[in-house]
Amino acid sequence: SQKIEQNSEALNIQEGKTATLTCNYTNYSPAYLQWYRQDPGRGPVFLLLIRENEKEKRKERLKVTFDTTLKQSLFHITASQPADSATYLCALDIKAAGNKLTFGGGTRVLVKP
Amino acid sequence: ETGVTQSPTHLIKTRGQQVTLRCSSQSGHNTVSWYQQALGQGPQFIFQYYREEENGRGNFPPRFSGLQFPNYSSELNVNALELDDSALYLCASSLVGGPRGGYTFGSGTRLTVV
Repeated sequence: SQKIEQNSEALNIQEGKTATLTCNYTNYSPAYLQWYRQDPGRGPVFLLLIRENEKEKRKERLKVTFDTTLKQSLFHITASQPADSATYLCALDIKAAGNKLTFGGGTRVLVKP
Repeated sequence: ETGVTQSPTHLIKTRGQQVTLRCSSQSGHNTVSWYQQALGQGPQFIFQYYREEENGRGNFPPRFSGLQFPNYSSELNVNALELDDSALYLCASSLVGGPRGGYTFGSGTRLTVV
């Protein structure tokens, strides 16, 4: 069966440290992998997209890696700040499924001052 | 540039009733997708509309239906509401034929079925 797994346990991290989140998937051949941020009661906000032929993407304090052999993406928030506290969702854009995103369950991040 | 607007923001319905949720897509976007998000879970794809036609559907029963209008706005209709339909309903717009990029989500409609 097809699965997208993110760590369901909340990640508590000290301000200034790097938060690393994991997204693992099975039985998918994604063309793209996307990361979103979601605050309570709000819709997801797009952060980064990485293509299947890319290994790494950066945007300001954010870094995403994509390993299609391991079927894994890592999402890093460097120099984390309390304002980074939110739930982070990974989503696969599957080749055979058109313009449809398949989401993981999300990982909640809490950055403590 | 306007974002995605959804209405209403909150709604309480009784089991068996019908509900219509509305979405105005981001300016320049021609595709609208609907997602259902239960508490503590990731969004689940319901369906997508492009050029006023359904363009892909997730694993949801036929009592979930939709419309897209010429101005690219959209409606999600749910008939015969069940308690498990209680969730945050998200609308996302995108541009078919444009760069493959992130989707723009609205803030959602919180539906509670009692």
